Amino acid sequence: SQQGEEDPQALSIQEGENATMNCSYKTSINNLQWYRQNSGRGLVHLILIRSNEREKHSGRLRVTLDTSKKSSSLLITASRAADTASYFCATDSNYQLIWGAGTKLIIKP
Amino acid sequence: DAGVIQSPRHEVTEMGQEVTLRCKPISGHNSLFWYRQTMMRGLELLIYFNNNVPIDDSGMPEDRFSAKMPNASFSTLKIQPSEPRDSAVYFCASSLLAGGRAGELFFGEGSRLTVL
Repeated sequence: SQQGEEDPQALSIQEGENATMNCSYKTSINNLQWYRQNSGRGLVHLILIRSNEREKHSGRLRVTLDTSKKSSSLLITASRAADTASYFCATDSNYQLIWGAGTKLIIKP
Repeated sequence: DAGVIQSPRHEVTEMGQEVTLRCKPISGHNSLFWYRQTMMRGLELLIYFNNNVPIDDSGMPEDRFSAKMPNASFSTLKIQPSEPRDSAVYFCASSLLAGGRAGELFFGEGSRLTVL
């Protein structure tokens, strides 16, 4: 089952611009994670934010979490061509993660 | 660390044939997951092992699918007989589960299966 719903489904921006992706979920969570998947590759963990955290940074990534709205956003600043990938949010449900359908991000040179 | 290792990376087979996918998780991880990814259905959890024991196989499509984890360093996913609708990318992921809560998953590069 899919709990996370990413928005938008696809995003195309110019290199250097910021990219924002959103994720909404339905049930209470302990943590929310973001992953990146390059074409033809496996998923790679980017960042985990716990339910008692509101914002977290990692390099050019900024993640926010609003548990009252059951939503999260991933901001990539100063985008690069190498950021072209699909981005997935995942929420925990006991031992497993519940995945969204992903946002496909294209960075145009 | 070599990460999660999957083989084969690509498999093309004919309908009715047996397919075996292999996974070596990261040493020290106690949880292993098999996922299937398709454009239509996204990422689906097939089966989850904890300490080599299958905990949840509710995602296994049907009896044609089976998975084993004979030891902490090896797991297989078998499809017999294979059908064209089984065509997908199959991922293995491992993690160190603590406190019964899902943590960071480490994925392999996947096995792309095409059933003709």
